[in-house]
Amino acid sequence: KNEVEQSPQNLTAQEGEFITINCSYSVGISALHWLQQHPGGGIVSLFMLSSGKKKHGRLIATINIQEKHSSLHITASHPRDSAVYICAVKGTSGSRLTFGEGTQLTVNP
Amino acid sequence: KAGVTQTPRYLIKTRGQQVTLSCSPISGHRSVSWYQQTPGQGLQFLFEYFSETQRNKGNFPGRFSGRQFSNSRSEMNVSTLELGDSALYLCASSLDPGLKTQYFGPGTRLLVL
Repeated sequence: KNEVEQSPQNLTAQEGEFITINCSYSVGISALHWLQQHPGGGIVSLFMLSSGKKKHGRLIATINIQEKHSSLHITASHPRDSAVYICAVKGTSGSRLTFGEGTQLTVNP
Repeated sequence: KAGVTQTPRYLIKTRGQQVTLSCSPISGHRSVSWYQQTPGQGLQFLFEYFSETQRNKGNFPGRFSGRQFSNSRSEMNVSTLELGDSALYLCASSLDPGLKTQYFGPGTRLLVL
């Protein structure tokens, strides 16, 4: 079993839909990252969470430390949101990240 | 501020050769981490440097090595390249290894023939 599990692996949505991507982890962490990777490889850090909830524009990320679970929500999805979304957890020392396998999101117009 | 830069962006090598990849962190960032991304294994941690010292190392063979210079720039070296080393190599920088956001570079895509 991977230390970081994401679901779903693939997600196709229509423009405007509300999207949720889930991440569960099995190790102790100091923080959890949500990353976005577009074709070509560039990775952008969307959020870093250690508790509660963060919002940036149409993106919302939540984390439940007790349940070892985080969700990334996209409201009013748009084709430009199409990308791979990756959950990564940071251990309790250093900067080492352990990654989920990613969720390929496709938003159709 | 300029972002994280990596050079070269693309590289083709043959089996048995060695390769050196370079990463320049965001100005003021002293922590640099390296990651390998392959279709089969996904993203995996290689190593982390802070103040010229390796703080963490992932589960990679000794052919993979790295270093960090006094200006925080970092290099990673892969010797005796194998076909399976073909991957996107990403570096990320942060202010320090604490609870700081990591900023990723564009990556170096290495193809080993």
